[in-house]
Amino acid sequence: DVKVTQSSRYLVKRTGEKVFLECVQDMDHENMFWYRQDPGLGLRLIYFSYDVKMKEKGDIPEGYSVSREKKERFSLILESASTNQTSMYLCASSFGPSGEQYFGPGTRLTVT
Amino acid sequence: GDSVTQMEGPVTLSEEAFLTINCTYTATGYPSLFWYVQYPGEGLQLLLKATKADDKGSNKGFEATYRKETTSFHLEKGSVQVSDSAVYFCALSELNNNDMRFGAGTRLTVKP
Repeated sequence: DVKVTQSSRYLVKRTGEKVFLECVQDMDHENMFWYRQDPGLGLRLIYFSYDVKMKEKGDIPEGYSVSREKKERFSLILESASTNQTSMYLCASSFGPSGEQYFGPGTRLTVT
Repeated sequence: GDSVTQMEGPVTLSEEAFLTINCTYTATGYPSLFWYVQYPGEGLQLLLKATKADDKGSNKGFEATYRKETTSFHLEKGSVQVSDSAVYFCALSELNNNDMRFGAGTRLTVKP
């Protein structure tokens, strides 16, 4: 079974802090994704990566950056957390373009 | 750009009732279509998929048929159970496109 793990299930941070969310997948997938999920808005793509050190902006990249130094790990970075970044963050991976995505359990981030 | 529209929820049904969740899409090419399910406190997991017109995806008693003429992929189940209570997302992915488009999600609650 494909497994996608995220470093924390719940996280509380203060405004202005730098926040790291880590995601690891164990199936050698090329593609990895970061989404945020908000009620009524579904999933919105923040960034994705189709190879090590490669990244592409999604629909809402502002205020975020990413890092992919190893194939299995994709990190989302909030450079200076703000209250409007309070959300559920979901990581996913897939084997190739347009393929089924496998999701981690999510990290619920609260910025106070 | 590509997009997915699904019926707004929440939807509340009694056990053994018939379920339909409508999903329509807009795409420039020939997308693959997916239904994902998110149980409380978990990430998304693939429920079923269809990759070309007239294909029927099915899993756990759920079905959806890829209708190119009506650009639809409605989710159906003949007899829902309390354990089907979850949020359901319709999604599409274009060939050779690295991202996936999700609908806003429909929350289903099944009462005993």
